[in-house]
Amino acid sequence: EIVLTQSPATLSLSPGERATLSCRASQSISKYLVWYQQKPGQAPRLLIDDASNRAIGVPARFSGSGSGTDFTLTISSLEPEDFAVYYCQQRSNWPPLTFGGGTKVEMK
Amino acid sequence: EVQLVESGGGFVQPGRSLRLSCAASGFIFDNYAMHWVRQVPGKGLEWVSGISWNSARIIYADSVKGRFTISRDNAENSLYLQMNSLRAEDTALYYCTKDRAWDPQFIFGSWGQGTLVTVSS
Repeated sequence: EIVLTQSPATLSLSPGERATLSCRASQSISKYLVWYQQKPGQAPRLLIDDASNRAIGVPARFSGSGSGTDFTLTISSLEPEDFAVYYCQQRSNWPPLTFGGGTKVEMK
Repeated sequence: EVQLVESGGGFVQPGRSLRLSCAASGFIFDNYAMHWVRQVPGKGLEWVSGISWNSARIIYADSVKGRFTISRDNAENSLYLQMNSLRAEDTALYYCTKDRAWDPQFIFGSWGQGTLVTVSS
């Protein structure tokens, strides 16, 4: 089973600041890494697939990078609506399909 | 607009069964693989099971294999999850999700709002 480790667990930032979220895989998953955003009381929302492809309707301030075992989700300038929990998910080796434990981006 | 509406959750005793349903609309249902993903409130996401467009490929997480059965009815635009021998650790919000393609690709572009399953004596 591929384990995904997200860091930090919590990121405290102010609107307008840059957010950098990390996801590390226990073995190489090539580019097959997906990012989701989840706000309180809502279902997750697809942001990025295959490491760097923004989903339809996702603002350009969200970008993804990485390959192999190390991946990054960057939010270039935080908007108030971006404060949420972010999950990474690998789709390289399955079953099982696995998710990271999440990073909470909270307002400082 | 894609809509996924789950139902069938509730409170059930350990060892009992429950059947979840997901009514899909706004897209051609039998063009897409579908999945169930669960989330303990306040915790992370766990993929449970997936099914291809024609039910030819069905996959489960080890934690539910042998107890849960995923199925779909393309004529009714519906996805199901039959959950037997329920355990306390199955307590979670269960989401129905739409994949990107007809065979599982594990890119969940659309999600329902979830149905809560509570397993307790």
